[in-house]
Amino acid sequence: QVQLVQSGAEVKKPGASVKVSCQASGYTFTGYYVHWVRQAPGQGLEWMGWIDPNNGGTSYAQKFQGRVTMTRDTSISTAYMELSRLRSDDTAVYYCAGGDIWFGVYWGQGTLVTVSS
Amino acid sequence: NFMLTQPHSVSESPGKTVSISCTRSRGSIASHYVQWYQQRPGSAPTIVIYEDSQRPSGVPDRFSGSIDSSSNSASLTISGLKTEDEADYYCQSYDSSNWVFGGGTKLTVL
Repeated sequence: QVQLVQSGAEVKKPGASVKVSCQASGYTFTGYYVHWVRQAPGQGLEWMGWIDPNNGGTSYAQKFQGRVTMTRDTSISTAYMELSRLRSDDTAVYYCAGGDIWFGVYWGQGTLVTVSS
Repeated sequence: NFMLTQPHSVSESPGKTVSISCTRSRGSIASHYVQWYQQRPGSAPTIVIYEDSQRPSGVPDRFSGSIDSSSNSASLTISGLKTEDEADYYCQSYDSSNWVFGGGTKLTVL
C-alpha cells in the first residue's frame, strides 16, 4: 500500500536549520507532487509549498520564500524539506503529502520540530 | 490571494446529519476545486472529499461535498453521524498553484 514515512522528531536552537525527509513507497515516486504542510500546536494547517519529483520543480508559499528549500532524491524515492533561520514560532508538526498539484491524497505521519533555546 | 472561512465548531448527535461550511472571501468558489480533510486528534489529515464532491475509495458515502455559487461557499455534509466522525475538518482550495486552507472546524458528536 502507499506509504509516506517521515524522519523523526527534531529539537533545534533558534537560528539553526532543520531538514525533514519523506520516503515514499507503494507508488511511482515521480508520479505525484509532494507538498509540505505544517501545523503549530493547537493551530490549523498551513501550506508551505510543493516539489515535483519528476523534474525537481518547486513552488513555495510567499511566507517561506528565502527560508525553505525542497529537494528530492529519486533513487531512494525521498523528498526533503529544509527550513533555515528557525524561530520559536516554527515549532510545529511538519507533514508531507503526495498527490495532485491541487490536493494531497497520501499523507506522512508528521515530524515534530521543536525550536527552543 | 483569498481566504476560506469555516465555523470554529459544530456539534450534533449520533445518527443525525451535520453540514460544515467553507466560504471563499474573493473570487468564485467554482473557479477552483475544493477538498475536505479529516484530522483526528494526534493523527495526520486524511482526505474525505476532493474536487468539490468526489469521494476517495474507502470513504463512506455518508460523506458528501457540494458547492453553492450563490453563497460562494462549499459544504461538507456528514449523515448518520457516528462517534468516530468526531474530528477537525479542514477545507482546502488553491490559486496560482498555492494551496489555501480554511481555519478548521471541530466536530463534536455527542
